[in-house]
Amino acid sequence: AQSVTQLGSHVSVSEGALVLLRCNYSSSVPPYLFWYVQYPNQGLQLLLKYTSAATLVKGINDFEAEFKKSETSFHLTKPSAHMSDAAEYFCAVSPPGANNLFFGTGTRLTVIP
Amino acid sequence: ETGVTQSPTHLIKTRGQQVTLRCSSQSGHNTVSWYQQALGQGPQFIFQYYREEENGRGNFPPRFSGLQFPNYSSELNVNALELDDSALYLCASSPPGTSYNEQFFGPGTRLTVL
Repeated sequence: AQSVTQLGSHVSVSEGALVLLRCNYSSSVPPYLFWYVQYPNQGLQLLLKYTSAATLVKGINDFEAEFKKSETSFHLTKPSAHMSDAAEYFCAVSPPGANNLFFGTGTRLTVIP
Repeated sequence: ETGVTQSPTHLIKTRGQQVTLRCSSQSGHNTVSWYQQALGQGPQFIFQYYREEENGRGNFPPRFSGLQFPNYSSELNVNALELDDSALYLCASSPPGTSYNEQFFGPGTRLTVL
């Protein structure tokens, strides 16, 4: 069975500080991995994806994530938080051959001025 | 390029009623998936449509049904609405030829069941 765990339902950082949002997955085979962002009253926007190419993935708005098979992790980072980064972030996995995404429960990021 | 669109944006129904939600896929995308996002939760997969046929279903009862049309747009129908059906319903479309199941989401329809 596939599952995604996002550690920390709420994360607060100061503006300009490092953002680190954690995601661990369970899968019998290395899956495809995604990070989505959701702003209030909006749908999901894709930040970045891992599709078994480079393990360090760069996305939009200076976000990046590193796939670590040994740790079954795909943590999301950004060097310097901006006020506009305040939103809900979801990690999702898709096992090879699957037709759907399995989402974590989300992490709400607050940026403190 | 037009993204995924959904209608209506908000809907209020009463328990026992039926509802139809609509989705237009992104241009060139032939696969549509529907998800339910309850308040404070991550999206849960309802089902997927490909070439007008259901192509996978999550753990939802049969009163959740769908359609896909030749232009790849889709409908989600929910019969006998229950209070727990109150949620944001998200539609996502996928382009042909990708093996990694990248999905592009619409803005969602917020359904409230009273």
